[in-house]
This record gives sequence, C-alpha cells and structure tokens, in this order.
Amino acid sequence: QKEVEQDPGPLSVPEGAIVSLNCTYSNSAFQYFMWYRQYSRKGPELLMYTYSSGNKEDGRFTAQVDKSSKYISLFIRDSQPSDSATYLCAMDTGGFKTIFGAGTRLFVKA
Amino acid sequence: ETGVTQSPTHLIKTRGQQVTLRCSSQSGHNTVSWYQQALGQGPQFIFQYYREEENGRGNFPPRFSGLQFPNYSSELNVNALELDDSALYLCASTNPLGVGANVLTFGAGSRLTVL
Repeated sequence: QKEVEQDPGPLSVPEGAIVSLNCTYSNSAFQYFMWYRQYSRKGPELLMYTYSSGNKEDGRFTAQVDKSSKYISLFIRDSQPSDSATYLCAMDTGGFKTIFGAGTRLFVKA
Repeated sequence: ETGVTQSPTHLIKTRGQQVTLRCSSQSGHNTVSWYQQALGQGPQFIFQYYREEENGRGNFPPRFSGLQFPNYSSELNVNALELDDSALYLCASTNPLGVGANVLTFGAGSRLTVL
C-alpha cells in the first residue's frame, strides 16, 4: 500500500464548475499537508499549505484536512481553463522528506 | 529574487553511462532536495542537502549521489544508468527558517532519457 493515494484521473470539467480533488494517506505522523500544481513541462509550484486538521481558503481554492479520516481535499471554485494542470497532494512529518501523491490531471473546458 | 534553475533541460544517455545534473537554488535558501518524477507519477524523494552535508535519503541506490556547494548550488550524479532511470529530475530548495516544514520551490527539471 502506498503512503499516499491519489486518483490520477484525468478529470474533465466545464469552465465555471466546482472541482474536488482528494487524497488519502496511511501515515498518521503526517502533520503538514500541501497541494502543488504542475503545468506541462514545468516543475510543481506550491498552491496551498495546511498544518494539521482544518480548512484553509485562498481565493478560489480551499484546502481541507481531516486527520481522523486521513483524507485531504482541494476544492477549486469557478474553474478556469488556466486551471488545467496536474494537481499533486503532498505531505510530510516535519522531517526532510515530502511524500507526493501520483497527481490528478485536470482539464477545464472553455 | 531568482528562482531555482536546472541544467540541462533535456539529455539522452545510453545504459551504463554516467550523468551529472546541476541546480542553482533560490536566493537565501540553504537546503536543496532532489526528486525523481517518472512519467505519470508523483515526485519521489532522492536526498536532501543542508550546509553541504547529506541530510536525509530516500530509497535510492548508492549510484545516486549528490553534492552541495558553499553557494548552495547542487549536483545530482547518477552512475551506471539503467533504463528505469529515465525520468524528470527535479531540484527543490527550501528556506528552513520560513513558514512550516519542507515548503519546496522547484525548478523546471531535467528530463533524462536512457536508451
């Protein structure tokens, strides 16, 4: 079993839709939870960062962490074609290693 | 401030050869990590360097080695290349005095193809 599970998609939605991206994990020691966005032929860039459980909102993006269920989510409101990318969940224990999910490919159709 | 830059962007090697990939970290970031991203997969941690010392290592064999220099730039060396080494190699820098742990700033990567 992988430490972090993420559905690779692809996920295709119309412009303006609400997108829900999810990951599950098995290591209860994870404390820091991140979402990275990766455009084609680019490196990942940090989108959202959360410590422990709870919600965090930044513009059209909301990150949720439920440590009791070992489940994290990223919601994108009013999705735009420019949101088309691969979204990687990531988490770590506060040490030197970050564990990434496989990434979900998202396509937002105009 | 400058971001993370990596070179070369693409390269092709044959099985058994050796390769060196280079990374210049973001200004002020003294920790650098290397990740391997196979096609359709998430990045896998190779190792991290802090103040020119290896600070931690993932599940990669010893033929993967690295260096960090006093200016915080870094190299990844891979010996005896295998076909499965074909991947995007990502360098990421971290400012450990910044917010939280391991908030990574990635370069665009070096795409290695082993034939």
